[in-house]
Amino acid sequence: GAVVSQHPSWVICKSGTSVKIECRSLDFQATTMFWYRQFPKQSLMLMATSNEGSKATYEQGVEKDKFLINHASLTLSTLTVTSAHPEDSSFYICSARGDGGRDTQYFGPGTRLTVL
Amino acid sequence: GENVEQHPSTLSVQEGDSAVIKCTYSDSASNYFPWYKQELGKRPQLIIDIRSNVGEKKDQRIAVTLNKTAKHFSLHITETQPEDSAVYFCAARGGMINAGKSTFGDGTTLTVKP
Repeated sequence: GAVVSQHPSWVICKSGTSVKIECRSLDFQATTMFWYRQFPKQSLMLMATSNEGSKATYEQGVEKDKFLINHASLTLSTLTVTSAHPEDSSFYICSARGDGGRDTQYFGPGTRLTVL
Repeated sequence: GENVEQHPSTLSVQEGDSAVIKCTYSDSASNYFPWYKQELGKRPQLIIDIRSNVGEKKDQRIAVTLNKTAKHFSLHITETQPEDSAVYFCAARGGMINAGKSTFGDGTTLTVKP
């Protein structure tokens, strides 16, 4: 149980285009989803926290107009990188936490974004 | 907000030896401390966790200890095997002010030499 999928697993796009990444909890309801960015050989940097049906809470320094997060259902959250630039190239990982106030976060497999 | 420091950043041990990774946290109200293992190119996987009302937890070769007074917790891996080689992250889930968010340490790259 507690499987989180992420799609696509990798994407290459041109500078200026937008990219949408989907995160799904497959066998549980995720009341809270987190979006992280990870640079090579570095830690997980939290970008934002989203709760189903409400606006995402962004961490300091993360542009909410650039990284649009939508958590429309208890099993799906999306991250859209708008007008992507080469500096947005990174590994993006989502994680989901179930309902009932459980603590454990389950991570998706990540999405490798390369902006040319 | 919460600040989590993790040491060492790299650790190399001989197969069969023990490995210990330590983390400190700043928010005394933090109440949940998971450890994740991340292999190259893969997702972080939860390997063990501990809550603030417990001092130690063991799962086969892996154990975690928590000292709430000193605000530090440690991961202990005994009888290490080459497949234990990975990056390990500690995390602390914040108290009221940081409720719901886990802050991660910078990671420890563990290499187990056969």
